[in-house]
Amino acid sequence: QQQVKQSPQSLIVQKGGISIINCAYENTAFDYFPWYQQFPGKGPALLIAIRPDVSEKKEGRFTISFNKSAKQFSLHIMDSQPGDSATYFCAAGYPGTYKYIFGTGTRLKVLA
Amino acid sequence: DTAVSQTPKYLVTQMGNDKSIKCEQNLGHDTMYWYKQDSKKFLKIMFSYNNKELIINETVPNRFSPKSPDKAHLNLHINSLELGDSAVYFCASSLNSNQPQHFGDGTRLSIL
Repeated sequence: QQQVKQSPQSLIVQKGGISIINCAYENTAFDYFPWYQQFPGKGPALLIAIRPDVSEKKEGRFTISFNKSAKQFSLHIMDSQPGDSATYFCAAGYPGTYKYIFGTGTRLKVLA
Repeated sequence: DTAVSQTPKYLVTQMGNDKSIKCEQNLGHDTMYWYKQDSKKFLKIMFSYNNKELIINETVPNRFSPKSPDKAHLNLHINSLELGDSAVYFCASSLNSNQPQHFGDGTRLSIL
């Protein structure tokens, strides 16, 4: 019930391509879905987040697509760049709580 | 300028020792957190404090004791360190519940 399943575990994309990372959750009580980007030796940094009343949110090259009925959400990175190479985490938050459940992470490598 | 700062960045110590990790945030946030990231990069919440009050205490051995002297600080003390405690520990903060969490750069704890 508390799990957030993330796939793929690793992803290699050519420069300029589209990177897609998927997450699925079970508990319909979740109401906040952030994505974090983590570079080696650094802490996770918030990239973009969405709430379930919206089906899509775009910020620059990063887009979250949210499918409430399927209980799935995904991160799309358009025009992927070598500087995007990092580990990406999805997460889900419970309303009125302070608790995030994190996905297992996706290691993205963008080839120059 | 650093929003969430942790010290030390690296901590190497012997099994059985007691050690502390300090965390400070200058964002004016009410809530602070401790996360553990294992060798497989899995992020799991350990504790959360809101206005110096403990609100989340996950299943963590009681060798781990958080202390919040004020809203801007949340320290983590670990007694009788074990090999399995080797991990990266991240401090984070947020304005309140279900708001973006901002992470520090982590403390890499290695037990010899």
